[in-house]
Amino acid sequence: GAVVSQHPSRVICKSGTSVKIECRSLDFQATTMFWYRQFPKQSLMLMATSNEGSKATYEQGVEKDKFLINHASLTLSTLTVTSAHPEDSSFYICSAKRDQMVEKLFFGSGTQLSVL
Amino acid sequence: RKEVEQDPGPFNVPEGATVAFNCTYSNSASQSFFWYRQDCRKEPKLLMSVYSSGNEDGRFTAQLNRASQYISLLIRDSKLSDSATYLCVVSGSARQLTFGSGTQLTVLP
Repeated sequence: GAVVSQHPSRVICKSGTSVKIECRSLDFQATTMFWYRQFPKQSLMLMATSNEGSKATYEQGVEKDKFLINHASLTLSTLTVTSAHPEDSSFYICSAKRDQMVEKLFFGSGTQLSVL
Repeated sequence: RKEVEQDPGPFNVPEGATVAFNCTYSNSASQSFFWYRQDCRKEPKLLMSVYSSGNEDGRFTAQLNRASQYISLLIRDSKLSDSATYLCVVSGSARQLTFGSGTQLTVLP
């Protein structure tokens, strides 16, 4: 099956630093990737939709200047959490859409971010 | 009201038991429905799609009631390996997936 690689799987950083998370589709081209955030015992919340070659579409309440998304190629999208604060500590997960069928959505393994 | 609501549980059941999860959704225009399984700190994995006529995959049966905007998942003969969080997922006309908060299941030996 299709594979989506997400890196790093875990990161611990100091408050005020920036953290970059990569999401790669390994065996297919993904024109659209999605970034989610999940707090403990809560649902995955869509943060933004990343479109190759264009600006990301952010969900309401998500600061685009804080969560920078770049989708420069058909196999790579990155999420950069800028000036991270402890409240940004969460599980971040990406997914990529294969073909045009919504159920063909493949997830990365997630990144646990802890900001001290 | 949340777009997709689930009973968070936890459901603690003995091995071999039958357990059912329910989910309601608020958008009557929703078009596609799924159950995903998520293990702790792991990515969600598609368990099964849910069709209007109901569908079965081994020990798992999913049902959809559009009139009541209600989806269910039935697990028969529970295994220890079924322990996980089960996410109800709904797709709207924009083809974006909305996740429920999940129902936690623990199957006990």
